[in-house]
Amino acid sequence: EAGVAQSPRYKIIEKRQSVAFWCNPISGHATLYWYQQILGQGPKLLIQFQNNGVVDDSQLPKDRFSAERLKGVDSTLKIQPAKLEDSAVYLCASSSIRGGTEAFFGQGTRLTVV
Amino acid sequence: AQSVTQLGSHVSVSEGALVLLRCNYSSSVPPYLFWYVQYPNQGLQLLLKYTSAATLVKGINGFEAEFKKSETSFHLTKPSAHMSDAAEYFCAVINTGGFKTIFGAGTRLFVKA
Repeated sequence: EAGVAQSPRYKIIEKRQSVAFWCNPISGHATLYWYQQILGQGPKLLIQFQNNGVVDDSQLPKDRFSAERLKGVDSTLKIQPAKLEDSAVYLCASSSIRGGTEAFFGQGTRLTVV
Repeated sequence: AQSVTQLGSHVSVSEGALVLLRCNYSSSVPPYLFWYVQYPNQGLQLLLKYTSAATLVKGINGFEAEFKKSETSFHLTKPSAHMSDAAEYFCAVINTGGFKTIFGAGTRLFVKA
């Protein structure tokens, strides 16, 4: 089965610019996650979708970050405007609807804000 | 709220030596626990998971972990380290009935020749 696909793999932007990341989860996975992984730290959950509804966005900086999951499949994460501290790897993951199952991760998008 | 603590941000072992990476969890309900590995410039890959069946869990690449409720621990071990084991390892917890995976800060494993 195909894994979680993310694009782009790398992105360099200037501060105050906007950027968008795309994620296509594993087919049939109802739950989709966006994580932010700052260098040297563990992944931090930004937002979690169940189908196309938001389950948890408590750690999403909503003044600059937004995310959507159209039709319960693909998802996009946007940052506008970007700050230097947004430099990180953004990981998308998905899991099946059954509770307690592991998340499958994409390769991530490495964002550098200069 | 669930959480995990990984003891030691860096661990260095010699090739062929025992690998021990420590993880303690906090959960008010029986947890589901995971170990993930991350190689440079890659996403996270599942090594093994505990889902309240056997307390000793065997994973890929010769790794295993033991769930100890009395110690709230889920340490990862491998009898003999290989150079290819050098990577970042993350312990994670998800509460039963929930869908949120919470990660520890990670432990970077170095393997010396």
